[in-house]
Amino acid sequence: DVKVTQSSRYLVKRTGEKVFLECVQDMDHENMFWYRQDPGLGLRLIYFSYDVKMKEKGDIPEGYSVSREKKERFSLILESASTNQTSMYLCASSLWGTGAGEQFFGPGTRLTVL
Amino acid sequence: GENVEQHPSTLSVQEGDSAVIKCTYSDSASNYFPWYKQELGKGPQLIIDIRSNVGEKKDQRIAVTLNKTAKHFSLHITETQPEDSAVYFCAAIQYGGSQGNLIFGKGTKLSVKP
Repeated sequence: DVKVTQSSRYLVKRTGEKVFLECVQDMDHENMFWYRQDPGLGLRLIYFSYDVKMKEKGDIPEGYSVSREKKERFSLILESASTNQTSMYLCASSLWGTGAGEQFFGPGTRLTVL
Repeated sequence: GENVEQHPSTLSVQEGDSAVIKCTYSDSASNYFPWYKQELGKGPQLIIDIRSNVGEKKDQRIAVTLNKTAKHFSLHITETQPEDSAVYFCAAIQYGGSQGNLIFGKGTKLSVKP
């Protein structure tokens, strides 16, 4: 079974802190994604990566950056956390390809910024 | 870019009844339409998908239909059971950049009453 793990289930940070959210997948997938999930807004893509050291902006990249130094690990970075970044963050991975394939999601990290 | 509308936002049915969730999309170039189920405390999981070269696909109690002309697709769940209670997301693929990525609807919370 594909397993996508996220470093924390719950995280509380203060405004202005630098926040790292880590995601690891164990199935040698090429593609990795970061989404945020908010009530009534569904899942919105922040960034994705189709190869090591490659990244592309999604629909809402402002205030975020990412890092992919190894194939299995994709990190989301909040350079200076703000209260409007309080949300559920979901990481996903999928096999290489055009994007028209199954994405496997982690359990999510619920981030609260005070 | 792609826009996906999903209705209804909440749906309550009696056990054994059918449930239908509908989505519309805007980009005629989209050719892949997955449905994800998210149970409480978990990440979304793919339950069924359809590509634009077919009009309907079934998997046991679940079916998806696609009308390319009208740009809408629907999820049908028959003989609903309490374990079908979850949030369901439709998505359509949006092409741009190096490869496609998914644009999700806002979700439908399905409650199946015993």
